[in-house]
Amino acid sequence: SQQGEEDPQALSIQEGENATMNCSYKTSINNLQWYRQNSGRGLVHLILIRSNEREKHSGRLRVTLDTSKKSSSLLITASRAADTASYFCATRNSGGSNYKLTFGKGTLLTVNP
Amino acid sequence: DADVTQTPRNRITKTGKRIMLECSQTKGHDRMYWYRQDPGLGLRLIYYSFDVKDINKGEISDGYSVSRQAQAKFSLSLESAIPNQTALYFCATSDPSGSPSNEQFFGPGTRLTVL
Repeated sequence: SQQGEEDPQALSIQEGENATMNCSYKTSINNLQWYRQNSGRGLVHLILIRSNEREKHSGRLRVTLDTSKKSSSLLITASRAADTASYFCATRNSGGSNYKLTFGKGTLLTVNP
Repeated sequence: DADVTQTPRNRITKTGKRIMLECSQTKGHDRMYWYRQDPGLGLRLIYYSFDVKDINKGEISDGYSVSRQAQAKFSLSLESAIPNQTALYFCATSDPSGSPSNEQFFGPGTRLTVL
């Protein structure tokens, strides 16, 4: 069963605006990762946040994690048309088979020029 | 040069045929994974291998088998393809040694259509 659920399923914004995507999960995690997928291509790792971290930045990306609510958000600031892609959260559980990731269903982001 | 390669990139086959998808990596990672992606369902894990002698079923292994021929090669087989195996298939690698992040590196995908 899938651990992460992204929200919204699809998001359409204008270039220059900020885009926020959310991810909820069900079990305790070791870390949560965000990946990007351009249409029909492989996923590319964007950023990772550990369970003991609350916020992390990488360039125009900002990720937050609230373990009490079992949720994370990905903020892309000053969006560009090239940011158009699907974004997936993936969780690494804190127990069991530690090295598997469980992916959500993704948010399709469209940035209009 | 791509670190994780998949062949073929596209394949159309008929119901009942045996098909093999291949994955090769030059990253030197021990861990390799096969996923399938269906529209609206995200990625689901089919099989994973932590080293050449360690192969494990994922959440949707029925109808699939794998072979880890070497550290660098991990093949996925559909013994008797059926139309609901039509999907985009991804291979991925990871190396947790010295990297607690468990970031995964994905191949470009194989688009499989079963008629």
